[in-house]
Order: sequence, then structure tokens, then C-alpha cells
Amino acid sequence: GAVVSQHPSWVICKSGTSVKIECRSLDFQATTMFWYRQFPKQSLMLMATSNEGSKATYEQGVEKDKFLINHASLTLSTLTVTSAHPEDSSFYICSASGEALGIQETQYFGPGTRLLVL
Amino acid sequence: GNSVTQMEGPVTLSEEAFLTINCTYTATGYPSLFWYVQYPGEGLQLLLKATKADDKGSNKGFEATYRKETTSFHLEKGSVQVSDSAVYFCAQRGGGNKLTFGTGTQLKVEL
Repeated sequence: GAVVSQHPSWVICKSGTSVKIECRSLDFQATTMFWYRQFPKQSLMLMATSNEGSKATYEQGVEKDKFLINHASLTLSTLTVTSAHPEDSSFYICSASGEALGIQETQYFGPGTRLLVL
Repeated sequence: GNSVTQMEGPVTLSEEAFLTINCTYTATGYPSLFWYVQYPGEGLQLLLKATKADDKGSNKGFEATYRKETTSFHLEKGSVQVSDSAVYFCAQRGGGNKLTFGTGTQLKVEL
């Protein structure tokens, strides 16, 4: 149990376009979802936290107008990178936590989405 | 602020060797501590955790003990296998269920 999926796993786009990444909890209701960014050979950096039905809370230094997060249901959150530029190329990872089966405090991670902006 | 420091890799070991990956943390209070593993091409998986001082987390032969006096949570395994090759992340949980990660340590196990 506690499976989180992400789609797409790979995306290449042209500079200036927008890209949407989906994060789904497959077998539990995710009251909270987190979005991370991982640079090569570096750690995961938390970008934002979203609770279902509420606006996302962004970490300091993360542009909320550039990285739009929507958490409209208990099983789906989306991250949209607007007007992407080459410096946005990175590995984006989501995680989810929920109340089912006592897993409220544990975050379960998706497999990640690799974004390359040309 | 809260931070996690773990040893740089890569760590290269022969199969059946003993593994230690050091992890120390700074935090106000006593956070929960975690080890996550990331296999090639996959997302992070929770390996083990400890929620209070002197707790020992264990899973798949890996162990880590929450040491308050040294603010450490070192990961150990008595006999590694090739299949343990992955990147290991130490993390602490702060307010709002936020995780702060170390930079990760790549482990390579050779035959």
C-alpha cells in the first residue's frame, strides 16, 4: 500500500512553454502533498506544501507564480511550471501523507519527473 | 535552522562488508529521524525511522539508533549486498511535517 505515482516521468519542452506534472496517491487519501526539487548529486529541496482544498504554502525563495500548485482532491496534486526556462530543468518529486492506516506522519514519495527545458 | 549533515560518497564496498553511513543533525527540540533510500530511476522509499532518543529503527538488515547526546543517526548494516547499491538520504522532520534532507550518500556494492 501507500503508492504514489507521478506523470509524466520524463518531459522535454521548449523555453517559454508551460509544463504540468501530476502526482497521485493510488491507494490512500492524501491530505497533504509536498513538492520537492532535486538537482544532480544534491539533496531534495522542499518547494511547497499543499493541503487538499487550500492554497499551497511555498518555501522561501520559491516563486509561487512560476510554480503553480493545485491540490483539488484527496488523490491528486499538480505542479505547473509556467513559462519554463533552461534553469528550471531539474528532477521534481512529490510526496504525500494521509490518515489512512495510521500513515498520517509518514511521507510516501513518487518516482519523480525529470524536466528538461531546451 | 534545522539541518542534516551526512557523509559524502560515493561509498564503495565489497559484498558482505560492514556499512556505516554517518548522519548528524541540528534542530531545536527532538525531531523524528529517518533514512530514505533511492534506487536508480526510482523515487525515495522510507527505509527506517526513529521518533525519540535511544530508539532504534531497523529494516532489511539496516539499523540506526537515535543518539541525542551526539545528535546522530548513523546507518549501519552488517553485511551489504549488491542489491543495496543506491543513494541513502538521512532526514529529520520538523514542524508542519516538513522533512529536511541531507545531501545523500551513494553506496556502490561490488562482487
